[in-house]
Amino acid sequence: DQQVKQNSPSLSVQEGRISILNCDYTNSMFDYFLWYKKYPAEGPTFLISISSIKDKNEDGRFTVFLNKSAKHLSLHIVPSQPGDSAVYFCAASNRGATNKLIFGTGTLLAVQP
Amino acid sequence: GAVVSQHPSRVICKSGTSVKIECRSLDFQATTMFWYRQFPKQSLMLMATSNEGSKATYEQGVEKDKFLINHASLTLSTLTVTSAHPEDSSFYICSAQAGGRVDTQYFGPGTRLTVL
Repeated sequence: DQQVKQNSPSLSVQEGRISILNCDYTNSMFDYFLWYKKYPAEGPTFLISISSIKDKNEDGRFTVFLNKSAKHLSLHIVPSQPGDSAVYFCAASNRGATNKLIFGTGTLLAVQP
Repeated sequence: GAVVSQHPSRVICKSGTSVKIECRSLDFQATTMFWYRQFPKQSLMLMATSNEGSKATYEQGVEKDKFLINHASLTLSTLTVTSAHPEDSSFYICSAQAGGRVDTQYFGPGTRLTVL
């Protein structure tokens, strides 16, 4: 049972344009969501997070939007840069109960120069 | 920043042997460490939560006698894959939690295990 889903396994975007990565979840107990970036043969690195009490969080070129009613979140990267090319994972947690992270399957982003 | 190392980065072993993977937090203390497993093109699946000085908590479906976890100090956790079989071949990643918040988990670079 995949509680966190990223339905697009890959995405290709031109440099300078916006990248939008999507994530859906099924467990309404999740109250904290995170995005990680992962290069091959490396561990994930934290990018940005959002609490369920908010619908938007912004950090530089990265913005995460949360739609609780739709159980959907998205990561916007603008402008996209070639160095952004990596696999992006969304993850969810029920902070009130545990610090466990439930990861999605990842989206491979390729930013074309 | 917080750095987590894993050793070895890659290991090949024969079926039936045991393999130990180390996870170290280099510049912070971690009372809690997590072990994940990633199959190709799949998500990171949490295997177990390791707390310093106590027994690990395993996720449903993970055999604790096969995947032995020891968290003997605040900077070191080890995962031993006992009597490894080809189906245990995978990418194993650890994370170490620097604080009480879930976004203070820092991940190691992972260990690629291949069982022949």
